[in-house]
Amino acid sequence: QVQLVQSGAEVKKPGASVKVSCKASGYTFTGYYMHWVRQAPGQGLEWMGRINPNSGGTNYAQKFQGRVTMTRDTSISTAYMELSRLRSDDTAVYYCARVTPEWELDYWGQGTLVTVSS
Amino acid sequence: QSALTQPASVSGSPGQSITISCTGTSSDVGGYNYVSWYQQHPGKAPKLMIYEVSNRPSGVSNRFSGSKSGNTASLTISGLQAEDEADYYCSSYTSSLHVVFGGGTKLTVL
Repeated sequence: QVQLVQSGAEVKKPGASVKVSCKASGYTFTGYYMHWVRQAPGQGLEWMGRINPNSGGTNYAQKFQGRVTMTRDTSISTAYMELSRLRSDDTAVYYCARVTPEWELDYWGQGTLVTVSS
Repeated sequence: QSALTQPASVSGSPGQSITISCTGTSSDVGGYNYVSWYQQHPGKAPKLMIYEVSNRPSGVSNRFSGSKSGNTASLTISGLQAEDEADYYCSSYTSSLHVVFGGGTKLTVL
C-alpha cells in the first residue's frame, strides 16, 4: 500500500533553515510528482510547490521562490523540502503529497510540525 | 495566485444534504476539469474525496458528489452523518502549472 512517512517535528529559531523528509513506499517513486503543502495553526492549506522525482525538476509557488528548495534521492525513495530564512509565520504543519497526472493529491504524509520561535 | 473562494462554514442536520461552493477564475476552476475536494478532520492529514470535478476514489461513500459550472465547483454531501463533520477544501490546477486551494469550509452536523 502507498505510504508517505515524514520526519519528526522541528523547533527552529528565526533566520534558520529546516529540511523535512518524506519517504515513499508502495509505488514507483519516480512515477509521480511530489507536492508540498503547509497549514499554519487554525488556517487553511497552502500549496508550496512540486518536484518531479524522475528529473528533479521543480515548480515553486511565487510566495516561496528564493526560500524553498525541493530535492529528492531516488535511491531511497525520499523527497525533501528545505525552507530557509525562517520567520515566526512559517510555523505550520508541512505535508508531502503524491500527485497523479490529473493533479489530485491522492496520498498524503502524516505531516511535520515546524515551530519557529526565539 | 489568489485562493479559491469557499464559504467559511456550512451546517446541516443528520440526513439532510449540504452543498459547498468553490469559486475561482477561468485560469483555474473554469479552465480545467482538475478540481479536487479534500476532507480534513482535526489533527489529521487531508483525505481526497473527489477528483476531476466529479469522480470518487475507491472507498469514498457515494453520498459525496461533485460538479462544476463555469468558474464554480461544488461538493454535495447527501444523507449527512455525524462523521462528516470536518473541514473541506477544494483545489484546482492552474495555468501556471501550480495548485491553488480554497480557504476551507467548516461543516457542522447539528
